[in-house]
Amino acid sequence: EADIYQTPRYLVIGTGKKITLECSQTMGHDKMYWYQQDPGMELHLIHYSYGVNSTEKGDLSSESTVSRIRTEHFPLTLESARPSHTSQYLCASSEKGQRYGYTFGSGTRLTVV
Amino acid sequence: SQQGEEDPQALSIQEGENATMNCSYKTSINNLQWYRQNSGRGLVHLILIRSNEREKHSGRLRVTLDTSKKSSSLLITASRAADTASYFCATVPGGSEKLVFGKGTKLTVNP
Repeated sequence: EADIYQTPRYLVIGTGKKITLECSQTMGHDKMYWYQQDPGMELHLIHYSYGVNSTEKGDLSSESTVSRIRTEHFPLTLESARPSHTSQYLCASSEKGQRYGYTFGSGTRLTVV
Repeated sequence: SQQGEEDPQALSIQEGENATMNCSYKTSINNLQWYRQNSGRGLVHLILIRSNEREKHSGRLRVTLDTSKKSSSLLITASRAADTASYFCATVPGGSEKLVFGKGTKLTVNP
């Protein structure tokens, strides 16, 4: 049973729309991450946070932004969606020290038309 | 930047057979992790092996780590159709706390 929740599961949206992908975890993890994954490809880190009011860009440049106002909540926002943003977005969290690896949400599959 | 690379890219076996997947990486690591991803879903953490460990078991999974060769292998014994998924290795490079994923091995277990 997942302890990290992503909504929506699927989203089809028109070009130019603003969207927010939600991610919440109930484990009290300090560290949270957003990965982008195209079908059949590897995951690329786009944003991460090590605690409240702390956010950093990942290895893959992204036009999205994130916020971390509460420990359990790490939403990702696209101000103006484009077809190139079509992808799967995966949220994950981990505790300090990473003794047990990352816990992933089920992902949001975004299609921009 | 890609750190881990899995081999083979795809593997098809019969139920009951063993499946072996390999992972090579480039830099020194703190630990190496294996994940499973069912089609279109999130990843599930399978096992974590630290840089000072050489072998680890979890149920039907066996992971080895050879830091001198910068490589790891994941063995799934007595495979089942439900093991059909993509398997990713991920490393935590030394000095970093972020996981870096490889491209994955797509495993198909035929009933």
